[in-house]
Amino acid sequence: AQSVAQPEDQVNVAEGNPLTVKCTYSVSGNPYLFWYVQYPNRGLQFLLKYITGDNLVKGSYGFEAEFNKSQTSFHLKKPSALVSDSALYFCAVRDRGGSYIPTFGRGTSLIVHP
Amino acid sequence: SQTIHQWPATLVQPVGSPLSLECTVEGTSNPNLYWYRQAAGRGLQLLFYSVGIGQISSEVPQNLSASRPQDRQFILSSKKLLLSDSGFYLCAWRRPGATSSYEQYFGPGTRLTVT
Repeated sequence: AQSVAQPEDQVNVAEGNPLTVKCTYSVSGNPYLFWYVQYPNRGLQFLLKYITGDNLVKGSYGFEAEFNKSQTSFHLKKPSALVSDSALYFCAVRDRGGSYIPTFGRGTSLIVHP
Repeated sequence: SQTIHQWPATLVQPVGSPLSLECTVEGTSNPNLYWYRQAAGRGLQLLFYSVGIGQISSEVPQNLSASRPQDRQFILSSKKLLLSDSGFYLCAWRRPGATSSYEQYFGPGTRLTVT
């Protein structure tokens, strides 16, 4: 079985400050991990993924995430937040040995204040 | 490049009426296709999954059905809509096999309101 948790419904940060959106996962084997962003009334957009290799992965719009196997986490980070980063962020996990169906978290609403 | 289309963008339908939502993917072949429903702007619920023409897996029992009449076409249907069918419906695709990039690509969505 696979599962993912996003413990924060909402994250508030001031523009220019660093941001972190948390994600923890559970899989029986090794994970594929993903972050997606959703703007209001739009589909999800792929941001970044961890498949294998370096634990720090960089993605679109200056976002990055660090795969931490011991803590089973894959937190999304950005050094300096922009008001335009305000959106709904989804973490997803898929077990490498499982089906091609990922499990999505409930989403975290990021609000960046001017 | 690949593109995914969904239509209509918005739909208001009375209870008991039929439904047909369409999703098409361009620029790839034999994609894995997915239908999701998103309620109240939050979590995604997987409804159907398809690995090929005529091959549909249903994830939850419900008032909906799906079909894949062509390789890059995925249709979500209902014979009689319920109020609880209201939501934001998202279609997604993934490149399968050895050329897979693993992530999914989502369409723009259809906002369905059942009145």
